[in-house]
Amino acid sequence: NAGVMQNPRHLVRRRGQEARLRCSPMKGHSHVYWYRQLPEEGLKFMVYLQKENIIDESGMPKERFSAEFPKEGPSILRIQQVVRGDSAAYFCASSPIRRGRPDTQYFGPGTRLTVL
Amino acid sequence: GESVGLHLPTLSVQEGDNSIINCAYSNSASDYFIWYKQESGKGPQFIIDIRSNMDKRQGQRVTVLLNKTVKHLSLQIAATQPGDSAVYFCAEGLENTGNQFYFGTGTSLTVIP
Repeated sequence: NAGVMQNPRHLVRRRGQEARLRCSPMKGHSHVYWYRQLPEEGLKFMVYLQKENIIDESGMPKERFSAEFPKEGPSILRIQQVVRGDSAAYFCASSPIRRGRPDTQYFGPGTRLTVL
Repeated sequence: GESVGLHLPTLSVQEGDNSIINCAYSNSASDYFIWYKQESGKGPQFIIDIRSNMDKRQGQRVTVLLNKTVKHLSLQIAATQPGDSAVYFCAEGLENTGNQFYFGTGTSLTVIP
């Protein structure tokens, strides 16, 4: 049973370029979450998605950032016109929802984005 | 609330000793809590969870204690091993926000052989 998969593991972009981060949830999980982590800090919630639906994007910057989770394929976090401050580790987690209550989120290995 | 930009709290223990890692959570309405372990360069790994209708839960070598009165969570690791060296995060879940979790800043545990 494969865990949450993220690719690429490392991504280097120059200022102004676009970054695309992919996340495939665990089998049977239909809920995906994206978090951002700066060095020596905790995880900051960005967005929560179900298939074809954004449930909560309150933690995601309004500009340059977008996320999707299509019916087929992985979830994608897209950062347009990257700036140095976007350099961070981006983690994806997935979970089932049992009876409408929060349940355990399982994390992927993360994508480390470096903006030059 | 969250603490941004602070240095991680650190804890150093001797191999074989017991470790206690503490976490203060922010929302009295939170009803689900998880401890995660994050090793360097890796994603957080689930350790143990507890719901608000319990005050203690035990796993293999780990115990989580929940004190709702003072909004405090702790993780006890018995007979700490070098492989336990990592950053430990607590996360609180709020049922009325679906499945969103809020993470603390974490505690860095170093096990001295």
